Amino acid sequence: SAVISQKPSRDICQRGTSLTIQCQVDSQVTMMFWYRQQPGQSLTLIATANQGSEATYESGFVIDKFPISRPNLTFSTLTVSNMSPEDSSIYLCSVVREGLGYNEQFFGPGTRLTVL
Amino acid sequence: AQRVTQPEKLLSVFKGAPVELKCNYSYSGSPELFWYVQYSRQRLQLLLRHISRESIKGFTADLNKGETSFHLKKPFAQEEDSAMYYCALSGTGFQKLVFGTGTRLLVSP
Repeated sequence: SAVISQKPSRDICQRGTSLTIQCQVDSQVTMMFWYRQQPGQSLTLIATANQGSEATYESGFVIDKFPISRPNLTFSTLTVSNMSPEDSSIYLCSVVREGLGYNEQFFGPGTRLTVL
Repeated sequence: AQRVTQPEKLLSVFKGAPVELKCNYSYSGSPELFWYVQYSRQRLQLLLRHISRESIKGFTADLNKGETSFHLKKPFAQEEDSAMYYCALSGTGFQKLVFGTGTRLLVSP
């Protein structure tokens, strides 16, 4: 398995401000993802955090709004910029670890963000 | 387009009753299918995947390519099975996960 921690676990922010969420993994991983789970909805992939290069964003998500850093193989940050109430969500990071013949994706505990 | 559909938001059963959580998918290729579970106050975790063909906590799921379904079943539900269940798919060789909207299973005594 993989031990994943996220900081902060929750936050309440004002409209127009930015919040940076940290994700720390207990060992080196190649693939790391950031997901969003809006209230009452499913998980949606925001981007793949690539080490040493720019993140790969999914349709509907842009770097200016969700800048991502991945300075090494155990750490990544997601910033939610210029926040609005619509950004209120749970943000989760996840990593892929190689298993016996297949890979498994592990999730962090999530960061619950409320924007007022 | 890749899509996962879980038609039931809530499934409520009594302890000992059979459970079936439905999942249908749309994918142009050979997907890998998964069931993830989130118990109260815990993080999302993998329950089972179709390629392993195993039973976890009494749950099984069979991939039906003809019906493009991957329903999760358990013959006798337990109270500790109460949780949020998500069906998900990815492409072969592990790619991003596409999740369904989830089904909340509530098992009453």
